[in-house]
Amino acid sequence: NAGVTQTPKFQVLKTGQSMTLQCAQDMNHEYMSWYRQDPGMGLRLIHYSVGAGITDQGEVPNGYNVSRSTTEDFPLRLLSAAPSQTSVYFCASRPGGGGEKLFFGSGTQLSVL
Amino acid sequence: SQKIEQNSEALNIQEGKTATLTCNYTNYSPAYLQWYRQDPGRGPVFLLLIRENEKEKRKERLKVTFDTTLKQSLFHITASQPADSATYLCALEGYGNKLVFGAGTILRVKS
Repeated sequence: NAGVTQTPKFQVLKTGQSMTLQCAQDMNHEYMSWYRQDPGMGLRLIHYSVGAGITDQGEVPNGYNVSRSTTEDFPLRLLSAAPSQTSVYFCASRPGGGGEKLFFGSGTQLSVL
Repeated sequence: SQKIEQNSEALNIQEGKTATLTCNYTNYSPAYLQWYRQDPGRGPVFLLLIRENEKEKRKERLKVTFDTTLKQSLFHITASQPADSATYLCALEGYGNKLVFGAGTILRVKS
């Protein structure tokens, strides 16, 4: 099993550009989530999904869109990138509800100039 | 607002000693508390989970305690090794499917 796969690993954008960060998992997990990690601020939850067709907002959802059309995939879209979105982004999944551990991808380092 | 605090300063200890990391929280009533390890350039990796009705959990050289009265969790690594050097994150979860992380504490174990 590959686990949680994120692409790309690195990306540089110009302000105003759009892009999609890809996340796929092959563990048949119902729950998937996106976090961003900034120095000194830890991991902050952007959006999460408890199953195909269901998404909800986390702590810092503004500027990001998500959708969940399949169990395996949970892409994160930046519609108009801003320098404040420069960060490391992690996708994570777990089998179902609360009290279970998260499996993380290896991250995408995004720079917005 | 909810707040999770971990020591922002790195913890430096000698090999063989016990490392103790602290996670304090306010304005929160977590049902679960988890600890993760993160190495540079990698995603966090799960270590231990403890429930609100549990006082202590152990796994090999790792031990976590959870005091809901003090609103604090302690994470211990006994007989520490240089390979234990990493950033350690605590994460809290209520009953709403949101896992909230602290900023992490860097542990450096010197031989």
